[in-house]
Amino acid sequence: NAGVTQTPKFRVLKTGQSMTLLCAQDMNHEYMYWYRQDPGMGLRLIHYSVGEGTTAKGEVPDGYNVSRLKKQNFLLGLESAAPSQTSVYFCASSYQADYSPLHFGNGTRLTVT
Amino acid sequence: AQTVTQSQPEMSVQEAETVTLSCTYDTSESDYYLFWYKQPPSRQMILVIRQEAYKQQNATENRFSVNFQKAAKSFSLKISDSQLGDAAMYFCAYRRRGGGGADGLTFGKGTHLIIQP
Repeated sequence: NAGVTQTPKFRVLKTGQSMTLLCAQDMNHEYMYWYRQDPGMGLRLIHYSVGEGTTAKGEVPDGYNVSRLKKQNFLLGLESAAPSQTSVYFCASSYQADYSPLHFGNGTRLTVT
Repeated sequence: AQTVTQSQPEMSVQEAETVTLSCTYDTSESDYYLFWYKQPPSRQMILVIRQEAYKQQNATENRFSVNFQKAAKSFSLKISDSQLGDAAMYFCAYRRRGGGGADGLTFGKGTHLIIQP
């Protein structure tokens, strides 16, 4: 059982380049999330999705776009990367229930030079 | 908006001793869920324990227990008989009840726990 899988694990971009992070879950979860983790800042929500074809903004959405064309996949895009987007990105998913904990992927370390 | 505060950026404890990590939160909701997650150097986020706000009994999971004080909006994590494998970042998190918690968890900034052998 793979759980939540993120690709790639590491990436280095130059300022202005674009990329897409892929998240896949095999637990049939309705809800999916993208967080970023920065030193001393904890995890902050970028965007989330409550079902296939839906997306919503979180706490820090600027500079990112997302898509959820299939229930099991949630993509995070950076159209024009900036050094401020250097971070570790986590994807998570959960059941459609507020008591359900989030299940996390192993993160993607992104460096923008 | 909800906020979660972890006032201890770093804690250190001797192996086999007990340590308590602090967490306070601010919310206008009456029903919610609270979580502690552990993040070892591997970067994996691991659920440690969960507490329902409507339950007065404190949650326990083996060596991990919480002290939940709803009126004080406090949710501390106690680790008994600390082991080297407990060394990690620990995050306190809040999830509101109702609406399915669709907007996910709100996290504190974390406490780095060091275990001294």
